Amino acid sequence: NAGVTQTPKFQVLKTGQSMTLQCAQDMNHNSMYWYRQDPGMGLRLIYYSASEGTTDKGEVPNGYNVSRLNKREFSLRLESAAPSQTSVYFCASIEQGARGELFFGEGSRLTVL
Amino acid sequence: SQQGEEDPQALSIQEGENATMNCSYKTSINNLQWYRQNSGRGLVHLILIRSNEREKHSGRLRVTLDTSKKSSSLLITASRAADTASYFCATASNYQLIWGAGTKLIIKP
Repeated sequence: NAGVTQTPKFQVLKTGQSMTLQCAQDMNHNSMYWYRQDPGMGLRLIYYSASEGTTDKGEVPNGYNVSRLNKREFSLRLESAAPSQTSVYFCASIEQGARGELFFGEGSRLTVL
Repeated sequence: SQQGEEDPQALSIQEGENATMNCSYKTSINNLQWYRQNSGRGLVHLILIRSNEREKHSGRLRVTLDTSKKSSSLLITASRAADTASYFCATASNYQLIWGAGTKLIIKP
């Protein structure tokens, strides 16, 4: 099983450009999450999707949009990238809610110049 | 906002020694989880302890939870070089996990 797959692994953008980070899981999980990780700050939740068809804002949603395309896929879009969005982005999934183990992708390292 | 706070921020020990990391949190929880992150990789789940449990073991890992003090500790016994990583606690309530900033553990050969 591939688990949670994120693409791309690395991306460099110029300020104002847009891009979409893709995430897919093959574990039939209901809930999916997007986090960003900055040095010394742990993980901060951007958006999550408790189940197919629903999305909710997390702690730091500004500047991002998400789409839960189907049960497998949950994408994160930066409409107009800013240097403050330079970070490592992680997608994660869980069978349901936060009552079990989160499975993480390998991360997408984004640099905005 | 960060709920879990790990202590210490960094820990360097000799191979074979035990490593203890602590996590404090602020609100009531369903469970508390510990994850490991190797440099440049995604996080990997280590162990989950429910709010009605006080201690749990998994291999060389021992986790305790004190809900009255809102704190947890992770003990890694007989450390190995491969244990070098960052360790994060996450507290779970409803649909969200809230993360601490992590403890960076270095095992010296």
